Amino acid sequence: AQTVTQSQPEMSVQEAETVTLSCTYDTSENNYYLFWYKQPPSRQMILVIRQEAYKQQNATENRFSVNFQKAAKSFSLKISDSQLGDTAMYFCASTPYNNNDMRFGAGTRLTVKP
Amino acid sequence: EAQVTQNPRYLITVTGKKLTVTCSQNMNHEYMSWYRQDPGLGLRQIYYSMNVEVTDKGDVPEGYKVSRKEKRNFPLILESPSPNQTSLYFCASRFGHNYGYTFGSGTRLTVV
Repeated sequence: AQTVTQSQPEMSVQEAETVTLSCTYDTSENNYYLFWYKQPPSRQMILVIRQEAYKQQNATENRFSVNFQKAAKSFSLKISDSQLGDTAMYFCASTPYNNNDMRFGAGTRLTVKP
Repeated sequence: EAQVTQNPRYLITVTGKKLTVTCSQNMNHEYMSWYRQDPGLGLRQIYYSMNVEVTDKGDVPEGYKVSRKEKRNFPLILESPSPNQTSLYFCASRFGHNYGYTFGSGTRLTVV
């Protein structure tokens, strides 16, 4: 079974600055997928970004990018030009290839300060 | 609109009274899951399904049942709820293993 660890329960960043959220995972699978989800105070879960483990290129979605280090089993999320609307819980998740067993980390609460 | 619909959004019930939380998706997704969210623990998977009549236990299946008789519906059943099942529950669906989930709006359940 996979495990996902987010070691930063809370973080804060000033508006317009850059912040990096950490995530490590453990899996015995060779092929798998990694995700970051955002949960704003509305409690709705929103997919932020997705990475396929067999692709070396780091995924990017506008101001959001990842640093995927497969050997280290690390999958950090970088948010550039932070905005007040980025204030949310962020969850890292992992799922094996051809399986629906998606595991989540405990989350990091990010606060963007004006 | 493509969505996952959960009902109810809020529910307060008493210990031992059977309840069902409904979940329906209109995107023709193969995969569906139920999660519970508790502070400091993130989301923990209760059950998941990869197709009609195919369900598997997740991390925390005790005290829960599911069924997948139709592709679009995946209800969560608590036969005899207990206070430790007080939590925020999410249903989610996706096309397949290389896609992210679309989540429902969540069900806040309180068992007294």
